[in-house]
Amino acid sequence: SQQGEEDPQALSIQEGENATMNCSYKTSINNLQWYRQNSGRGLVHLILIRSNEREKHSGRLRVTLDTSKKSSSLLITASRAADTASYFCASLTDKLIFGTGTRLQVFP
Amino acid sequence: DTGVSQNPRHKITKRGQNVTFRCDPISEHNRLYWYRQTLGQGPEFLTYFQNEAQLEKSRLLSDRFSAERPKGSFSTLEIQRTEQGDSAMYLCASSQTSGSRGQYFGPGTRLTVT
Repeated sequence: SQQGEEDPQALSIQEGENATMNCSYKTSINNLQWYRQNSGRGLVHLILIRSNEREKHSGRLRVTLDTSKKSSSLLITASRAADTASYFCASLTDKLIFGTGTRLQVFP
Repeated sequence: DTGVSQNPRHKITKRGQNVTFRCDPISEHNRLYWYRQTLGQGPEFLTYFQNEAQLEKSRLLSDRFSAERPKGSFSTLEIQRTEQGDSAMYLCASSQTSGSRGQYFGPGTRLTVT
């Protein structure tokens, strides 16, 4: 499979805690993107980091990228129950290759 | 701008039947993508269009699958002689050529082949 891998596969935390998800990919990329998926809203684009960037912030999201290790991480700070969803990284070459996803459960 | 829409949202069909799905992208987006997603997995790329031209097809897209985007606007994905293994969520996404803001996904069409 071309799919990247994400770690952990599932994560359960309390509201207010931080959640960190890691992603590994297989080939050289143009950029790496993170998406959220829940049953109510489908797949939603969260943040994009270019291959020449190492860190990017957007609101409560922080993404890092290490192209030498072909890995990325997504940090969600001060989590909320509404953050409960599956999170996917997707590496862009000529097309998007998604990871297997992390299922995040945030308990109130 | 109402986002990406897909029809139907659900489709149940018997093995061997043909099915066709439709995707309407965001109007100013010239790229349109099809993905397939099975339970517990991330979306898998099937094919994409730049305007009306189909630029790439995954090896996942067997001869039973065909996609079109005749006027560079909406797209259709047809599956002929469906098999139980075709049961999945079929997702459509669109983007501007640069892709600098990521892709915008539709709600998907869930196909169940009995």
